[in-house]
Amino acid sequence: DIQMTQSPSTLSASVGDRVTITCRASQSISSWLAWYQQKPGKAPKLLIYTTSSLQSGVPSRFSGSGSGTEFTLTISSLQPDDFATYYCQQYYGSWTFGQGTKVEIK
Amino acid sequence: EVQLLESGGGLVQPGGSLRLSCAASGFSFGYYAMAWLRQAPGKGLEWVSGIVSGDITHYRDSVKGRFIISRDNSKNTLYLQMNALRAEDTALYYCARAIAVAEKHYSDYWGQGTLVTVSS
Repeated sequence: DIQMTQSPSTLSASVGDRVTITCRASQSISSWLAWYQQKPGKAPKLLIYTTSSLQSGVPSRFSGSGSGTEFTLTISSLQPDDFATYYCQQYYGSWTFGQGTKVEIK
Repeated sequence: EVQLLESGGGLVQPGGSLRLSCAASGFSFGYYAMAWLRQAPGKGLEWVSGIVSGDITHYRDSVKGRFIISRDNSKNTLYLQMNALRAEDTALYYCARAIAVAEKHYSDYWGQGTLVTVSS
């Protein structure tokens, strides 16, 4: 299976901060990467697919980039609603997820 | 509006069986691949099984031979038959709709999940 590694595991930030989360694949996955946001007690919500395509209804402050084995999710200006856990997921092979990055209030 | 509603979870002893269901609405169910995923308490996300519209099925290695995914397009329902359950199968089980892009699939909508607890 393709291993996905996210960093950092926890991130403390303030409203208005620019936030970047990194995801690394154990082998090339081309651009077959998605990002999800999960809040406590809720199902994951798709933010970005195919590395950089914004899911309908997702605010434009979210963006994704990368290719091959290195990917990033950027939140340009952190909002109160953005404090959550974020997961990357590859779908080049059988789906695997990163371990998650919890974005906390600083 | 896409809706996915899971049911069938509960407490079961090791070695027991459960059948999960996922009732879909708000989209043409038969045209989409579907998947089951799970999340152990306090842990990350894990793909369990998938089924494409042609009834091609896939499983993670740890559930092969124990779990069976199926669908009834006439009832807009996805199923997961889970046999020989183990403590490590304890998790919140989600069903998800999958979008096809050039023979790859990613999930765009998830249900709220149903909890499976395997314990004596």
